[in-house]
Amino acid sequence: KNEVEQSPQNLTAQEGEFITINCSYSVGISALHWLQQHPGGGIVSLFMLSSGKKKHGRLIATINIQEKHSSLHITASHPRDSAVYICAVRSFNNDMRFGAGTRLTVKP
Amino acid sequence: GAGVSQSPRYKVAKRGQDVALRCDPISGHVSLFWYQQALGQGPEFLTYFQNEAQLDKSGLPSDRFFAERPEGSVSTLKIQRTQQEDSAVYLCASSLRGGTGINSPLHFGNGTRLTVT
Repeated sequence: KNEVEQSPQNLTAQEGEFITINCSYSVGISALHWLQQHPGGGIVSLFMLSSGKKKHGRLIATINIQEKHSSLHITASHPRDSAVYICAVRSFNNDMRFGAGTRLTVKP
Repeated sequence: GAGVSQSPRYKVAKRGQDVALRCDPISGHVSLFWYQQALGQGPEFLTYFQNEAQLDKSGLPSDRFFAERPEGSVSTLKIQRTQQEDSAVYLCASSLRGGTGINSPLHFGNGTRLTVT
């Protein structure tokens, strides 16, 4: 079993829909990262969080440390949001473990 | 530059050749990570540097893989006698701070896509 599990693996949405991507992990962490990877391969860090909730524009990330679960929400989705979203957790020794990613396609 | 820079962007090597992949982290960043990402998979941790010290190399898949960061800035990932299973995107990331349990955002390079024929 992977230490970081994401769901769904693939997600297709219509423009404007509210999107949720989930991440569960089984190890102790010091922080959780949500990353966005575009087809060219470049990765952008969207959020780093260790508790509670963060919001940036149309993106919201939440984490429940007790349940070892995090969610990434996208409100009013747009085709430019199409990308692979990766959940990654950092352990206390700075080791990083990544989920396999969720491939999001937003259709106009 | 303003971000993490990796070179080359693409590398094609014949099986058995040695390759060297370069990472220029953001200036002043203490932590530097190398990851390997196979097609359709999430990145897998390879190794971690705090300044010039390689604190964790547990993810290196074999002794053909070697990484260094001699002056605590630029890092090189070397793969000797490349095999087809080494074909992947190699990602480098840097972070301002280091130490255990200390977190700062990760900044990724665009990666080097290695194809071994």
